[in-house]
Amino acid sequence: KQEVTQIPAALSVPEGENLVLNCSFTDSAIYNLQWFRQDPGKGLTSLLLIQSSQREQTSGRLNASLDKSSGRSTLYIAASQPGDSATYLCAVTQGGSEKLVFGKGTKLTVNP
Amino acid sequence: GAGVSQTPSNKVTEKGKYVELRCDPISGHTALYWYRQSLGQGPEFLIYFQGTGAADDSGLPNDRFFAVRPEGSVSTLKIQRTERGDSAVYLCASGRTLYNEQFFGPGTRLTVL
Repeated sequence: KQEVTQIPAALSVPEGENLVLNCSFTDSAIYNLQWFRQDPGKGLTSLLLIQSSQREQTSGRLNASLDKSSGRSTLYIAASQPGDSATYLCAVTQGGSEKLVFGKGTKLTVNP
Repeated sequence: GAGVSQTPSNKVTEKGKYVELRCDPISGHTALYWYRQSLGQGPEFLIYFQGTGAADDSGLPNDRFFAVRPEGSVSTLKIQRTERGDSAVYLCASGRTLYNEQFFGPGTRLTVL
């Protein structure tokens, strides 16, 4: 059974800092990995999708990497801003299945 | 519409009652998913539709839960004889086709008293 773990559970940084969020998964037979942002009381906003054949994806200040063989992904946020404060979730799609398996998320606070 | 919409945004009901939660996917998306999110947890998969048929309902917790998508667009998640443990945020997502990016709606917060 696929399990997704995200560390740290919470992170607080000053504005302007570069930071890395970690995601690990137990079964490397994934089809893709998706990073989401969730604001309090809101749904999920898709940030980046990495196919299993890809090593990384970039969007603006965000860069996500994937090392499928070691079961790890990182989300790098450059020059963090208070508006980046949210919970960040990673999820994998298992090969042969359409469902996303989520981690519990990392709650990020960026202090002005 | 531009995104996935869900109604109602909040639903409060009493134990034992029946509830229906509605999801309108992004136009043209053939894949539709339901997830459930409890406080402090990541979403958990319930059921997935490809077109009108439920391709995978392995996440439905028991037979009190049922979902339909009769015309391949709007979906309704139905919960019978609600229990306090059903309280959670129910999220709907849609996608273009197999293994594509999933786009989520704002969710329905269900509270069972």
